[in-house]
Amino acid sequence: QSALTQPASVSGSPGQSITISCTGTSSDVGSYNLVSWYQQHPGKAPKLIIHEGSKRPSGVSSRFSGSKSGDTASLTISGLLAEDEADYYCCSYAGGATFVFGTGTRVSVL
Amino acid sequence: QVQLVQSGAEVRQPGASVEVSCQASGNTRIRYAVHWVRQAPGQSLEWMGWINAGNGNAKYSQKFQDRVTFIRDTSAATVNMELNSLRFEDTAVYYCAREPYGSSPNDAFDIWGQGTVVTVSS
Repeated sequence: QSALTQPASVSGSPGQSITISCTGTSSDVGSYNLVSWYQQHPGKAPKLIIHEGSKRPSGVSSRFSGSKSGDTASLTISGLLAEDEADYYCCSYAGGATFVFGTGTRVSVL
Repeated sequence: QVQLVQSGAEVRQPGASVEVSCQASGNTRIRYAVHWVRQAPGQSLEWMGWINAGNGNAKYSQKFQDRVTFIRDTSAATVNMELNSLRFEDTAVYYCAREPYGSSPNDAFDIWGQGTVVTVSS
């Protein structure tokens, strides 16, 4: 099972919107609406910010939104804040009770 | 609120085994699975597998299925991960994470342990 493909880095200015892509295959992202997204600050455990493609857990800012088209899922962060600077990982159900993570994206706030 | 608390850092030699524990505290009445995810230094997250905390059923990633075992201790609300035949490239932070059953979020990991650093060094 190969890791899902994400851009290594994305940057934006405060207040702007950025989008992170997560490309898989017809065996994972393309087959299930079960992509989740995690935010990880340095030295910390990951935090769930999107599940089932576009649902936000309680307490997660509405500035985070998720979507999917074909084999590619996307995470959009609107109204970028300095605190959004972190690593972001997508994860997809891949069938057979297995999961696969993405390669990760470093978000920088300029 | 449920918390997952992991055991402390470990150092092992190549070829040895390591066991990392993950104890759930708080409201554990919700049925759940415990997943194990590792992160090598400067690398991305890597899914290793899961164990059903209720019935002990487990599923392992193909990459690790010959070397890893998940064990649950229901009396202590603890799940252990044992990794054998350690290699230098197993040096990583190992996380446990909860996937709730029958409640939101579906097929996602909503609560994470603090991570356990495992170092393989001669």
